[in-house]
Amino acid sequence: AQSVSQHNHHVILSEAASLELGCNYSYGGTVNLFWYVQYPGQHLQLLLKYFSGDPLVKGIKGFEAEFIKSKFSFNLRKPSVQWSDTAEYFCGVRASGTYKYIFGTGTRLKVLA
Amino acid sequence: EPEVTQTPSHQVTQMGQEVILRCVPISNHLYFYWYRQILGQKVEFLVSFYNNEISEKSEIFDDQFSVERPDGSNFTLKIRSTKLEDSAMYFCASSEGRAGYTFGSGTRLTVV
Repeated sequence: AQSVSQHNHHVILSEAASLELGCNYSYGGTVNLFWYVQYPGQHLQLLLKYFSGDPLVKGIKGFEAEFIKSKFSFNLRKPSVQWSDTAEYFCGVRASGTYKYIFGTGTRLKVLA
Repeated sequence: EPEVTQTPSHQVTQMGQEVILRCVPISNHLYFYWYRQILGQKVEFLVSFYNNEISEKSEIFDDQFSVERPDGSNFTLKIRSTKLEDSAMYFCASSEGRAGYTFGSGTRLTVV
């Protein structure tokens, strides 16, 4: 069965620090990969997605993610975080031939001003 | 930017009662989904819906759950006889194709 692992459950950073959130998935076939952000009290918003092509994907708000197929990973990065990036981040995977996303357990990021 | 709208934002119901959660997907989207998030846990897939029928469902989506698109705009999730463990945030989503969902803001269901 497909699964998604997000190893960092809670991350605390100071403003301007660099961010990397890990995401690994288990599925041997073709996948689409996503990162969603959930600000406090709000709904899930798409940060970025990977379908094919360049494995380095740029999203909104300065976020990027790199798909490394050999490592089954899709880590999220941001060179310099802001206080407004405080939120929960969810990695999601969709296997080809299915409709559903499988999400990880999420990473709560707190950025200190 | 087009939005997926969910109503109500919060619903409290007694155990054993039926609830209907409502969603208005983005108008030109063809695929519709329900997910839930139990407090402090991950977002879980419930069901996907395309061309007026369920295209995929999870083990969670048992006989007490049903979905319907009663008209051209609404997409509903019905829970027939609610249980305490159904308390969660329920998210509706829609997409043009099979990827790139837009999520709604959710309905928080509290079963007492």
